[in-house]
Amino acid sequence: AQKITQTQPGMFVQEKEAVTLDCTYDTSDPSYGLFWYKQPSSGEMIFLIYQGSYDQQNATEGRYSLNFQKARKSANLVISASQLGDSAMYFCAMREGSNYQLIWGAGTKLIIKP
Amino acid sequence: DTGVSQDPRHKITKRGQNVTFRCDPISEHNRLYWYRQTLGQGPEFLTYFQNEAQLEKSRLLSDRFSAERPKGSFSTLEIQRTEQGDSAMYLCASSLYNLEQFFGPGTRLTVL
Repeated sequence: AQKITQTQPGMFVQEKEAVTLDCTYDTSDPSYGLFWYKQPSSGEMIFLIYQGSYDQQNATEGRYSLNFQKARKSANLVISASQLGDSAMYFCAMREGSNYQLIWGAGTKLIIKP
Repeated sequence: DTGVSQDPRHKITKRGQNVTFRCDPISEHNRLYWYRQTLGQGPEFLTYFQNEAQLEKSRLLSDRFSAERPKGSFSTLEIQRTEQGDSAMYLCASSLYNLEQFFGPGTRLTVL
């Protein structure tokens, strides 16, 4: 079974609009962490935001926020006021318990239209 | 402050040749990870070091792959007798303990 599911292979969004990228996860470990990374066409994986399973509040980092719904096992990334430079692949990843490796989704290709 | 660096950025080789990639992590980071990413997919974990100790290797890593981190600083990933299926982006990441992983620019390998 897929541990991380990103159901949107691609999205087109108008510049300055908000965008939500979906991520659902599957784990039986009560302790886990969820990460979002951005990968531009240059290839470098850029860390955006982190949410721990015990965190009481949704994580926010500038224009990025994480809509964490624990009961639904979803951790959607919200980008407010999208910019042309936001065009990239976006990956959701999970770390379970004390494991060190990240388990990755297949990614969502986001294209911002001017 | 420099981030994670990888060398070379691109490598083209013929099938059967050996290749070696280098990764220099962020200096204070004690953990180093190697991932492989093929087109249209998320990264797949290959191996992990804490300081100089290699603590885990993925089942994906055949005997042709070997990684070292001799002094707990930079790491090398060697692929012997390359095959066309080894063509991929090889990503290195580092972290301070279990905090977020920071990635290098990757080495794109093409096996002809």
